[in-house]
Amino acid sequence: DGGITQSPKYLFRKEGQNVTLSCEQNLNHDAMYWYRQDPGQGLRLIYYSQIVNDFQKGDIAEGYSVSREKKESFPLTVTSAQKNPTAFYLCASSLGQGARGTEAFFGQGTRLTVV
Amino acid sequence: GNSVTQMEGPVTLSEEAFLTINCTYTATGYPSLFWYVQYPGEGLQLLLKATKADDKGSNKGFEATYRKETTSFHLEKGSVQVSDSAVYFCALSERSGTYKYIFGTGTRLKVLA
Repeated sequence: DGGITQSPKYLFRKEGQNVTLSCEQNLNHDAMYWYRQDPGQGLRLIYYSQIVNDFQKGDIAEGYSVSREKKESFPLTVTSAQKNPTAFYLCASSLGQGARGTEAFFGQGTRLTVV
Repeated sequence: GNSVTQMEGPVTLSEEAFLTINCTYTATGYPSLFWYVQYPGEGLQLLLKATKADDKGSNKGFEATYRKETTSFHLEKGSVQVSDSAVYFCALSERSGTYKYIFGTGTRLKVLA
């Protein structure tokens, strides 16, 4: 079945550590996105990529980094510079800017907790 | 910039009641509009969409009409069930520039038996 796989589902991080969240899709989508979800704040865009080897900062990129070396993969690293990383992280993909009106598909999310 | 505003929740209804969740947007051009649903601990699932003015999206008894004149995309259902309890997100996708998806803050719906 085609879809988006995020791993792990739950992740615990000690303060000062970097952690990487995995996102893989087999939908042959060009575009991929990372969102952060906090209670009462909806989804906020961290980074997005419209094509392999290219990505742009979203609204809250500080303290995060990404790479897009393969079409299928868009890992997100939460660095120690992110002051409040505890949140639910959602990865999404879509056909991209050449396909108007198409929806974004979401993974099941990773819940990151700083301990 | 582009934005989506939806009514704050939580919305609490009795089973078989009529549901309306308001959504308005601000955008340049002609965005596509979406409603997503999120169940606890899960990702978002597409509920319905509309890509041009006066389009009506529908799915599982839910409906929403793309109203360009009022820049709205209100979600409605004639008779809610307990299983409809979830968080609902209104969203738009830009048709130029960055082609991002922009989401509202979500509205929590609780349906009581």
